[in-house]
Amino acid sequence: DARVTQTPRHKVTEMGQEVTMRCQPILGHNTVFWYRQTMMQGLELLAYFRNRAPLDDSGMPKDRFSAEMPDATLATLKIQPSEPRDSAVYFCASGLGQGGREKLFFGSGTQLSVL
Amino acid sequence: AQSVAQPEDQVNVAEGNPLTVKCTYSVSGNPYLFWYVQYPNRGLQFLLKYITGDNLVKGSYGFEAEFNKSQTSFHLKKPSALVSDSALYFCAVRDLNYGQNFVFGPGTRLSVLP
Repeated sequence: DARVTQTPRHKVTEMGQEVTMRCQPILGHNTVFWYRQTMMQGLELLAYFRNRAPLDDSGMPKDRFSAEMPDATLATLKIQPSEPRDSAVYFCASGLGQGGREKLFFGSGTQLSVL
Repeated sequence: AQSVAQPEDQVNVAEGNPLTVKCTYSVSGNPYLFWYVQYPNRGLQFLLKYITGDNLVKGSYGFEAEFNKSQTSFHLKKPSALVSDSALYFCAVRDLNYGQNFVFGPGTRLSVLP
């Protein structure tokens, strides 16, 4: 079965370090979302790409977060420098754009702990 | 702005009984509505969606949802609950008049008791 692949599954790092999370969307999908999940805030949208172009990153702290799609098979989310409040599960999801009707396929997430 | 509310943090139901997980939404235009389920240590999985047409939508694993425009609701239902249905359920809305992103509700934890 086709699936969204996220690496690493778990990441423990110290405050101030750079963190890079990677996502391989399902082949042929043209929309990619990054979400952050915490107990307090639930699912928050960080970034949204369509055909590799960023369409919405209003939910992302610009001073430390960045999201890119170097090519159609890779999406990255970077945090530099990381802070303890960034500890969360980060999900990538992809879909085949159908004017907003498409369902999203989620990866298993990256569990990030910043000490 | 678009928003989604799931008024119950937790729903408990006995196995074999019907279940309902509630969702209400607010959008400026016509909504696209979705239900997703999350099992422990996993990403979200798509259950069903309402785009247009019949107000009763059938989805995976025997779940269905009813779109009610006047009450701005999209409740998830199942006639007979299974213990394996225990999970976290998310309602989501997409309002193309307000950008392209999915807005998720806070989630409802469903516990089906044997």
